[in-house]
Amino acid sequence: GAVVSQHPSRVICKSGTSVKIECRSLDFQATTMFWYRQFPKQSLMLMATSNEGSKATYEQGVEKDKFLINHASLTLSTLTVTSAHPEDSSFYICSAGREGPDTQYFGPGTRLTVL
Amino acid sequence: GENVEQHPSTLSVQEGDSAVIKCTYSDSASNYFPWYKQELGKGPQLIIDIRSNVGEKKDQRIAVTLNKTAKHFSLHITETQPEDSAVYFCAASSPIMDTGRRALTFGSGTRLQVQP
Repeated sequence: GAVVSQHPSRVICKSGTSVKIECRSLDFQATTMFWYRQFPKQSLMLMATSNEGSKATYEQGVEKDKFLINHASLTLSTLTVTSAHPEDSSFYICSAGREGPDTQYFGPGTRLTVL
Repeated sequence: GENVEQHPSTLSVQEGDSAVIKCTYSDSASNYFPWYKQELGKGPQLIIDIRSNVGEKKDQRIAVTLNKTAKHFSLHITETQPEDSAVYFCAASSPIMDTGRRALTFGSGTRLQVQP
């Protein structure tokens, strides 16, 4: 149990376009999902916390108008990177909380490359 | 806020030896400490966790110890195998001030290499 999927696994886009990443909890309902960003050989940095049916809570320094998060159901959260630029290239990982907000299960990640 | 420090940054051991990774945290309100294993190009996988009401937890070759007084916790892997090679992250769950939320703060990671 506790499987989280992400789609797509990798995406290459042109500068100025928008990219949507989906995160799904496959075998459990997640009232809370999290979005992280990870640069090469670095740790995970929390971008935002997404709660089903309410607005996401963004961490300091994360532009909410650039990284749009929607948590439409208990099994799906989406992250849309709007007007992507090369500096947005990174590994984006979602996680879902099952037994409350502490225990998080991570998806396989999405490698975004902006040309 | 919470600050988690992790050591060492890299660790190389011979197959069959033990590996120990240590983390310290700063927020005494942290009460949940998971460890994740991340292989190249993949998401982190939860391998073991411990809550602040226990001092040690073991799952086959993996064990975690917690010292709340000293605010440090450690991951122990015994009888290491080449497939244990990966990056390991510790984390601490603590409340975010004035928000009512909790979040995980991650250590900087340890790259473990098990030499066959």
